[in-house]
Amino acid sequence: GDSVTQMEGPVTLSEEAFLTINCTYTATGYPSLFWYVQYPGEGLQLLLKATKADDKGSNKGFEATYRKETTSFHLEKGSVQVSDSAVYFCALRRDTGRRALTFGSGTRLQVQP
Amino acid sequence: DAMVIQNPRYQVTQFGKPVTLSCSQTLNHNVMYWYQQKSSQAPKLLFHYYDKDFNNEADTPDNFQSRRPNTSFCFLDIRSPGLGDAAMYLCATSRDPGLSVDEQFFGPGTRLTVL
Repeated sequence: GDSVTQMEGPVTLSEEAFLTINCTYTATGYPSLFWYVQYPGEGLQLLLKATKADDKGSNKGFEATYRKETTSFHLEKGSVQVSDSAVYFCALRRDTGRRALTFGSGTRLQVQP
Repeated sequence: DAMVIQNPRYQVTQFGKPVTLSCSQTLNHNVMYWYQQKSSQAPKLLFHYYDKDFNNEADTPDNFQSRRPNTSFCFLDIRSPGLGDAAMYLCATSRDPGLSVDEQFFGPGTRLTVL
């Protein structure tokens, strides 16, 4: 079945450091890929998405590129801020059949001043 | 602003006492979803409604039920909560899963405590 694997956290960085959170997936066909962010005590917010191979999703300084050949969708940001501290979820959604989101287990990011 | 609203944000119930969580949306979306998220885990889909059509996930316990009386509202009923049902319950909506890109919009969640 479909699955999403994320690097385990927590990831602790100093402010202005470079961020990478790895995400790989297993799915048939050509799924759409998403990164969601969950701030403490809140629901999930869509951060960025990509719907086909080589697409780059970007938002608020975060980027991720849909790599079909490596089945990956790694999240990156060049300079993190304290306000980026949150849990980040990678997710996929099939292009056919079952359309529900399949989430990874989440990666907690802690940014220190 | 169009949004997904969940009430209450925090709910405490007793072991075995039925509880209902509510979700409403102003997005006029066709689909409404309920997810269960336990501490430090990924959200897990329980079921969803596509209009009035109920779709249950195969591994959702019978203890969990849902109602959607109209487009705007959807309820999650837990008939006999156990300690293992303590979790964050997330409601989400989307326009139509048949679309090539169908974004899900999430509410803030209801954190359920079972005593």
